[in-house]
Amino acid sequence: KAGVTQTPRYLIKTRGQQVTLSCSPISGHRSVSWYQQTPGQGLQFLFEYFSETQRNKGNFPGRFSGRQFSNSRSEMNVSTLELGDSALYLCASSLAGGPSNEQFFGPGTRLTVL
Amino acid sequence: GQQLNQSPQSMFIQEGEDVSMNCTSSSIFNTWLWYKQDPGEGPVLLIALYKAGELTSNGRLTAQFGITRKDSFLNISASIPSDVGIYFCAGRGTGNQFYFGTGTSLTVIP
Repeated sequence: KAGVTQTPRYLIKTRGQQVTLSCSPISGHRSVSWYQQTPGQGLQFLFEYFSETQRNKGNFPGRFSGRQFSNSRSEMNVSTLELGDSALYLCASSLAGGPSNEQFFGPGTRLTVL
Repeated sequence: GQQLNQSPQSMFIQEGEDVSMNCTSSSIFNTWLWYKQDPGEGPVLLIALYKAGELTSNGRLTAQFGITRKDSFLNISASIPSDVGIYFCAGRGTGNQFYFGTGTSLTVIP
């Protein structure tokens, strides 16, 4: 069974631009969570989608948004990029997000904002 | 968001030595997960724990779900060079969101 895939793996943008990242969960998994990872802040939760609905949201500004499609694939969008948005963006999928469901991570998208 | 207190922050050990690290939380958790992350890659799940007091092994790795449900421990026995990486704990309470530890960076000296 294929793991979680994320595209692109690397991205370079300039301030003010917007970016869309994509995540394909493990087949059969319906929950997708997004995280931002930086050396100073560690893993910070962005949001979680389940069955095309945002179920949880972290403390990030509205410039960060996401969506999930009917096939459970998810996209994350960041508008008006800032230098501080440079980070590794990770998505994680789980079967149904229930109490006994582990999260499996993708390889991440490394975003650099210049 | 909430972060778990993970210690130690970094470890430098000789190959063959055993390693111990732990995570503590101010909240009660129902699930504890331990991950390992290599540079430039996503975290890989090592062990999952679901019951207080549970002790689970995965090869040379052993993790325990603390009795108070506010802590968890990971031990690595007879470390080898490929154990190098950053280890994260993650915990979840009654909600669906996981909270992550700050990571333990492990360096194994051959």
